[in-house]
Amino acid sequence: EAGVTQFPSHSVIEKGQTVTLRCDPISGHDNLYWYRRVMGKEIKFLLHFVKESKQDESGMPNNRFLAERTGGTYSTLKVQPAELEDSGVYFCASSQEARHSPLHFGNGTRLTVT
Amino acid sequence: GDSVTQMEGPVTLSEEAFLTINCTYTATGYPSLFWYVQYPGEGLQLLLKATKADDKGSNKGFEATYRKETTSFHLEKGSVQVSDSAVYFCALTSGYQLIWGAGTKLIIKP
Repeated sequence: EAGVTQFPSHSVIEKGQTVTLRCDPISGHDNLYWYRRVMGKEIKFLLHFVKESKQDESGMPNNRFLAERTGGTYSTLKVQPAELEDSGVYFCASSQEARHSPLHFGNGTRLTVT
Repeated sequence: GDSVTQMEGPVTLSEEAFLTINCTYTATGYPSLFWYVQYPGEGLQLLLKATKADDKGSNKGFEATYRKETTSFHLEKGSVQVSDSAVYFCALTSGYQLIWGAGTKLIIKP
């Protein structure tokens, strides 16, 4: 089966610009998660979708971040406007069940805001 | 809140050396514990897990035992290889989320 795919793998943008990250989960996985690792620190949870619904978005840092999962398939994470502190690696993961299934991660998108 | 603390890296070892990467946690309830690995240029992969106290997870020669009395889940391998060079993350479940440590970069020299 195809794994979790993230696009782009790298993005370099200027402060104030907009960037949209995309994640294609494994087919049939209802649960989709976004995580972020900033500046070599710990990976932090951003949000969790179950199909197209946001189950938990408590980790979203502020209203400059908008995540969508239209139709319950792929997801996008938009940062608008980007700030320097948004630089980091954004990981997407998917699973069949929320609690007991293993998470399958994508390779991540490295975002650099200059 | 729940948290994970793991030893800072980088950890540099020679091939065939014994490896320990320490991980301790703070959690309410009874979380599951995980070690994930990120090889250069790749995504995060589940290395091993343990779901209850005294469980031992193992995979690819790596082992970790869920120690509730010391709130620890240290990663060990008896003889490391150059191919084990990667970043290792300790994590625990907190509700539907994973709480992560900061990661430990492991460098194995031939």
